Amino acid sequence: EAGVAQSPRYKIIEKRQSVAFWCNPISGHATLYWYQQILGQGPKLLIQFQNNGVVDDSQLPKDRFSAERLKGVDSTLKIQPAKLEDSAVYLCASSLGGINEQYFGPGTRLTVT
Amino acid sequence: GNSVTQMEGPVTLSEEAFLTINCTYTATGYPSLFWYVQYPGEGLQLLLKATKADDKGSNKGFEATYRKETTSFHLEKGSVQVSDSAVYFCALTEAAGNKLTFGGGTRVLVKP
Repeated sequence: EAGVAQSPRYKIIEKRQSVAFWCNPISGHATLYWYQQILGQGPKLLIQFQNNGVVDDSQLPKDRFSAERLKGVDSTLKIQPAKLEDSAVYLCASSLGGINEQYFGPGTRLTVT
Repeated sequence: GNSVTQMEGPVTLSEEAFLTINCTYTATGYPSLFWYVQYPGEGLQLLLKATKADDKGSNKGFEATYRKETTSFHLEKGSVQVSDSAVYFCALTEAAGNKLTFGGGTRVLVKP
């Protein structure tokens, strides 16, 4: 079974530029999560989708971050404009929903200079 | 709100030593508790879990017991190997929404 795929793996941008990350969850997983992991900290949930609807985006900085999950499969997370404090690893996870296990992708490491 | 506190690292051990990583939590309801592991260059993987008080999760020689009275979920392994070198995260979720709340992570380095 293929795992959660993310791309790119690494990205370096200058502050005020925009960037987008892509996630392809495990086939059949209805729930998709985006987490932000700042160096030395645990992951923090940014947004949770159930199929193509948003369940929780309370921690998403909506003035600069946006996310979508068209057709309830792939998802894109965008940052525009980026700030230095956005430097982090962005993790995508998926699950069957409910209290089922979340499976994590390898993450995208973003460096904002 | 929910929170997870775990001991700071790094923890440096010799091979075959005993490992304990402390984890305590604060939650409003009855959470499920998890340990995730992140090996160098890899994504987060579920190591073990416990869904109710007094449950013991175990995997790959690691164990953790859900202690409701002390709100703790300490991770233990009796004899570590070099391959156990990784960052370990304690986490919890409450049934509604299945949102994971993570601790800050503990880096473990096992030397031969």
